[in-house]
Order: sequence, then structure tokens, then C-alpha cells
Amino acid sequence: DSGVTQTPKHLITATGQRVTLRCSPRSGDLSVYWYQQSLDQGLQFLIQYYNGEERAKGNILERFSAQQFPDLHSELNLSSLELGDSALYFCASARGGTTEAFFGQGTRLTVV
Amino acid sequence: QKEVEQDPGPLSVPEGAIVSLNCTYSNSAFQYFMWYRQYSRKGPELLMYTYSSGNKEDGRFTAQVDKSSKYISLFIRDSQPSDSATYLCAMTLIQGAQKLVFGQGTRLTINP
Repeated sequence: DSGVTQTPKHLITATGQRVTLRCSPRSGDLSVYWYQQSLDQGLQFLIQYYNGEERAKGNILERFSAQQFPDLHSELNLSSLELGDSALYFCASARGGTTEAFFGQGTRLTVV
Repeated sequence: QKEVEQDPGPLSVPEGAIVSLNCTYSNSAFQYFMWYRQYSRKGPELLMYTYSSGNKEDGRFTAQVDKSSKYISLFIRDSQPSDSATYLCAMTLIQGAQKLVFGQGTRLTINP
């Protein structure tokens, strides 16, 4: 168990809908990362937050947004969902903006 | 060209063999290098990380970094069926955005 908790584990929703994925980092970790993993694209970096502030942005679509709250948990919001958004979404946390990032078990999103 | 290249395999070896997994990268600014193991439908698990060039050993696992060649390796000695998983290399800069850039992952099977 990495100590990073993601909910829900599975999510099935229809195209055009909006969903929220939640991540609770390890105790004491200030950084939260979001990654998308699909079969053909591997692990793609979406966005990083550090202590409530956006630190780095990757290939995150405009339909997606994220935030980190004062208690350091983070949420990833996905809207106007398309079939191609079906993937595993992982959250990872780290002490600072550093190296040893620990991943949660992921949320498997299926858009039908 | 991807920043990090990793042969996706699959790689199949007999139990007890020495396994060599490799990644190449293009960004000479990368300073921290990591190997993750991912079992099917699970989150990536951090195996090892190294800073700059050199070797690091942890039990049956050895990580090597050759910054002059932009090449990193993970060796698994006395491989076990339980080592069957996808192995992902990842790397990050020492300054600036701390996102982890991942390779595609190599699927490894150890045959009893």
C-alpha cells in the first residue's frame, strides 16, 4: 500500500458527462501529480500541484481541470467526456517537488 | 521523438535468468532516474531511484545510469515469476517543473 488513496476505483459514464476523481496524498506529501494511462499512450503527465498551487502542466485538455485543497487532497474534473477519455487515471504524491513519487491504485474511467 | 524511449517488449525469460531492461532519453537536463514496476491493473510501484550517473543496488535489483550516453538500465538477478510485470523507467529535472517523464514500459514475463 503506497498510502495514496484514489476514489472511485471504477467509473462508467456516458459521453458528454462530467466526473470528478479524488486523490488523498500520503501524509506529509505536498505535491500531487495526475497521470493518464491508456494502452497506446503509456503514462501521460497531466498536471502537478504543490501545496495548493499549480506547479506544472502537461498534456491536459481544456475540458479537464484540477485543484488541490487546503487539506492537500486533490480533485481532477473531466467534462464533456468523449469515448477517447476512457483510461486509467493515476494520482501520485511526493514530499516536495522531488523525485520519489508514490502512486495510488488509479481510477478506471470508462466512457460509453 | 519521445523524450524517453523504452522497448515495450514483450520480454519473456526463464526463471533464474538475469533480466536487463533499458531506456534512452534525449534531454540531457534529466538528473533523477527511477524505475517503477506495475502489475496488471495496479498503480506503478517505485522500485529504485538514482541521482545522476552511477550504480545503485537493492537486493536482486541494480540500476545503472550513464548520462554521457543518455542510457539507463535495470538489472534483475535470479528472476522470479513474481517479477512478471510491466517495468517503467521515469526521469525528472533537478530544477523547474518536477513532472516525471515516463517511458512506454516493458512487459516482462518470467517463466517457471
